[in-house]
Parts: sequence; C-alpha cells; structure tokens
Amino acid sequence: DVKVTQSSRYLVKRTGEKVFLECVQDMDHENMFWYRQDPGLGLRLIYFSYDVKMKEKGDIPEGYSVSREKKERFSLILESASTNQTSMYLCASSSSMNTEAFFGQGTRLTVV
Amino acid sequence: EDQVTQSPEALRLQEGESSSLNCSYTVSGLRGLFWYRQDPGKGPEFLFTLYSAGEEKEKERLKATLTKKESFLHITAPKPEDSATYLCAVQDNFGNEKLTFGTGTRLTIIP
Repeated sequence: DVKVTQSSRYLVKRTGEKVFLECVQDMDHENMFWYRQDPGLGLRLIYFSYDVKMKEKGDIPEGYSVSREKKERFSLILESASTNQTSMYLCASSSSMNTEAFFGQGTRLTVV
Repeated sequence: EDQVTQSPEALRLQEGESSSLNCSYTVSGLRGLFWYRQDPGKGPEFLFTLYSAGEEKEKERLKATLTKKESFLHITAPKPEDSATYLCAVQDNFGNEKLTFGTGTRLTIIP
C-alpha cells in the first residue's frame, strides 16, 4: 500500500513563528503536493513538485514556500505564520504513470 | 480554469435507502475524474478514477459513472459505515498533475 506520512497530526504555533510541515512518501512517486482544506472552500493547492528540486506554484502560494531535496520528502514552510494560515494541511503524492493521488493523514495547524 | 461543483452539500439517508451524489465539472480537456472518501480529521482516501464518458466503476455499495459534464456516485443500500464526506476532483490534459476539487458532499447514514 502507498503510504504518505505527515510529521505531525496537530500543531499549535504563535504568530510570526517559522513553521515546517514535513511529508514523506514511500512509493517512489515523482509528484508531490501540498493542499490546505478549509470549511466551505474545499481543498486548495498551495504548491506542487514533479521532481527533486523542482516546484510549481498552485492556486494559493502566498505566505508559503516549499523544499524538495530528496524524492521522497516534500516540506511546506510558513516563513512567518499568521492566524489566517490556521487550517488543515494535506500532503499528497502521485506517479506520472497513474493519475490518482494518495494523501497523508493531515496536519491541523492552529496559529495563535 | 477548471471548476468542480458538488451537490447536495449534505445528505442524510436511512440505512438501506439508495441515492446519488452529483459532481458537475468544467474542464478544457479531461484527463481524469476522481472520487475520494474523507472521514472526519483524516486525509482523503482514493475510491475511483474515470477517464471517459460512459465509463463506470464499482466498489462494494458504490458505483461511479461519468458523462461529458458530470459524474454521479451512486450508493446502493448504504450502511452507517458509509457515512463520510465524498470529494470529487478533476485533472486536465494541460501537462501538470494538479487536481481541482469540489467542496464535497457530507453523507450521513442513519441506522
């Protein structure tokens, strides 16, 4: 089975802190994604990566950056956390051969 | 820009009462349409991929169908454990792997 693992289930951070969300997949997938999920807005794509050291902006990249130094790991960085970044963050991966994406369990981030 | 609209937002059914969830989409060129199930506090779980109009896929009490404008997720004789939010997403043909999601249908099956 494909496994996508996010480093934390719950996080509480203070406004202005630098926050790192880590995601690891074990299926040698080329593509990795970060989404955030908010009530009434659904899942919105923040960034994605189709190869090591490659990244593309999604629909809502402002206030975020990403890093992909190894194929299996994709990190989301909040340079200076703000209260409007309180959300559920979901990491996903997919293969270029098969189109379906597999998701991690999510990280619920609260910025106070 | 790809768009996905799901209806209804919420649906309550008695156990055994069959129904359908709708996903309407707008995409310039459809590469795939995806259905996911999401339980509270968890990540989405992949159910089906549909690629072309007329295609159907089944899994236990769920059957997904696809036309050129919409997809339906039919639930036959549901059980309480089918309660979840069901998400629909589309992927287009324009060279990236991005999924565009609808806001989901929250399904509750009452024993």
